[in-house]
Amino acid sequence: GAVVSQHPSWVICKSGTSVKIECRSLDFQATTMFWYRQFPKQSLMLMATSNEGSKATYEQGVEKDKFLINHASLTLSTLTVTSAHPEDSSFYICSALIYSGGAHNEQFFGPGTRLTVL
Amino acid sequence: AQKVTQAQTEISVVEKEDVTLDCVYETRDTTYYLFWYKQPPSGELVFLIRRNSFDEQNEISGRYSWNFQKSTSSFNFTITASQVVDSAVYFCALSGDSGAGSYQLTFGKGTKLSVIP
Repeated sequence: GAVVSQHPSWVICKSGTSVKIECRSLDFQATTMFWYRQFPKQSLMLMATSNEGSKATYEQGVEKDKFLINHASLTLSTLTVTSAHPEDSSFYICSALIYSGGAHNEQFFGPGTRLTVL
Repeated sequence: AQKVTQAQTEISVVEKEDVTLDCVYETRDTTYYLFWYKQPPSGELVFLIRRNSFDEQNEISGRYSWNFQKSTSSFNFTITASQVVDSAVYFCALSGDSGAGSYQLTFGKGTKLSVIP
């Protein structure tokens, strides 16, 4: 099956620093990737849709200048949390979309990155 | 707008009991897809099933079964003879098919299942 990796799996950083999270599709190409955020004991909330070669589409309420998304290749999307603060501490999950038409379109999820901002 | 409701926040069952997790959805799309995911404590989402709106056949996979009822907009998930390894948070999700920008998943709030030995 399709495999998506994320790096790092966890990161601890100081307040005010920036953190980059990578999402890679290992055995397929993905023109579209998604970034989700999950706070403890809550559901996954879509942050943005990342399209290769174009600007990401952010969901309402997500600051695009704070959460920078770059999808420079068909196998890699990055999420950079700029000037991180403790309230940005969360579990960040990416997914990559495989288009096959109709019911066969499917998102494959990465294992997630746990970010803790001190 | 799409919406997924999982009314059960937490469920506890004793091992070997059957348990049903409820999922009710709302969508205006005529074609849509429903999913169930399992999230164990490690955090990684595990895909369980995908069902499209034109296929109302129930499905069984081992101890898992799913009941899709379009008339009540429900897509319930039953685990038969539960095991401790089934303990996890289960998410129901919905994806539309309305052209550009679709395939985004809307997740329910999840149901935490605890199976007690």
